[in-house]
Amino acid sequence: GENVEQHPSTLSVQEGDSAVIKCTYSDSASNYFPWYKQELGKRPQLIIDIRSNVGEKKDQRIAVTLNKTAKHFSLHITETQPEDSAVYFCAASETLGNEKLTFGTGTRLTIIP
Amino acid sequence: DADVTQTPRNRITKTGKRIMLECSQTKGHDRMYWYRQDPGLGLRLIYYSFDVKDINKGEISDGYSVSRQAQAKFSLSLESAIPNQTALYFCATSDLGRSGDEQFFGPGTRLTVL
Repeated sequence: GENVEQHPSTLSVQEGDSAVIKCTYSDSASNYFPWYKQELGKRPQLIIDIRSNVGEKKDQRIAVTLNKTAKHFSLHITETQPEDSAVYFCAASETLGNEKLTFGTGTRLTIIP
Repeated sequence: DADVTQTPRNRITKTGKRIMLECSQTKGHDRMYWYRQDPGLGLRLIYYSFDVKDINKGEISDGYSVSRQAQAKFSLSLESAIPNQTALYFCATSDLGRSGDEQFFGPGTRLTVL
């Protein structure tokens, strides 16, 4: 089955700086890669996702990049703000009818004011 | 607003007890999932169901069972609870096509097994 590794497990950055979280996956058949954000005491929520036919996707201050050859993908947050403090999970899945996600172990991001 | 709800939100039980966690959704989604979350381990899939007649094991199904009573309801049972089943449990739903591949999570059930 799929295995997703996520690094780092914790990350602290100064407000306004950028944060990068990296994930690798093992199954070359995986072609859908979402990122979920979980604020303290809250449920996980999708913030951005990317499919394997795209190398990069942006949504305001958030971007995700995908390298299929190396089987890794990354989340980039620019101009970080206090509300970005949360746990972030990457995941991988084969789509085309199978939405079974395999999640990474999570990164706790802390934004230092 | 259409939502995913879980009951109970918190539960403390003793080793050996049978316990059921319930999930209901008003999103009209066909697909439902049960995950457990442990510190440092992320979210791990227990069971999933793509429609009322479909039940599939996830990566950590041992010690758990599920029932899909209707499109809107998906229950998780621990037949004989043990302390290492202490965790935060999430139900999620999705609907391929209308909402893409996004999974919508419930608020979670915190289970403690003494």
